[in-house]
Amino acid sequence: LAKTTQPISMDSYEGQEVNITCSHNNIATNDYITWYQQFPSQGPRFIIQGYKTKVTNEVASLFIPADRKSSTLSLPRVSLSDTAVYYCLVAMNNNAGNMLTFGGGTRLMVKP
Amino acid sequence: NAGVTQTPKFQVLKTGQSMTLQCAQDMNHEYMSWYRQDPGMGLRLIHYSVGAGITDQGEVPNGYNVSRSTTEDFPLRLLSAAPSQTSVYFCASRQPAGGGEQYFGPGTRLTVT
Repeated sequence: LAKTTQPISMDSYEGQEVNITCSHNNIATNDYITWYQQFPSQGPRFIIQGYKTKVTNEVASLFIPADRKSSTLSLPRVSLSDTAVYYCLVAMNNNAGNMLTFGGGTRLMVKP
Repeated sequence: NAGVTQTPKFQVLKTGQSMTLQCAQDMNHEYMSWYRQDPGMGLRLIHYSVGAGITDQGEVPNGYNVSRSTTEDFPLRLLSAAPSQTSVYFCASRQPAGGGEQYFGPGTRLTVT
C-alpha cells in the first residue's frame, strides 16, 4: 500500500486559494489518487480523484506531476464552510483488497 | 437513493456486552467496508467485503466479526465490548472499478464503559 504524507494543519482566510500537497513516493502504476473531506461528526465525503496531469470538478482541482510521487489539491476561494479535515489516499482502480488506508489528514482552518 | 445508512447513531455499552452495528446501502455496490475513527485520528479499516459471502480482515479486526449475506447489508458485530472499542464507526461502499471513490454512512458513535 502506498503511504501518503501531508501537512497536519493549514490556516487560510476566506476568499483565498488553498493548496494542500500530498506526498506518495511509492505509488504503484495502477494507483489512483483520491481526496476526501470530513466535517466534524460526519463521514468522509469524496472530493476528487485522478491518475495523472490535472482533474477539475465543481469543488476542486487536482494537480498530479508526471512522476506521480505527489499531488496537490487546490480549493479556489475558500469559505468558512471549507473548514474541515482533508485526506489524501492512493488506491488501485480495481483493488480487490479494498485496502484504502487513511492517514492523519490535513486540518484546514479558514478564518474570516 | 438513501445511500449508505447506519444504525444506531449512538450506543452506550458496558464492558463485556455484545452488539451489532447495522449498515445498509441501496446503490448495488459490491464492495463494503467498516472503519473506526478515534478522536483526532484518521480512519482505520476493520473488515471489508468484496461481495456477498466474501469478507476479509483490515488493519484492526480483533474483537469484531462481520458477515455479508446480501449485497445490501454488512453488519459489524462486537463480540465482547471493551473500553478500547470506544470510537466512531463508519461503514462505506463502492464499486470495484471506482478506485478510491467510496460512499460513507453517517457513523455510529459507540461508548463502552
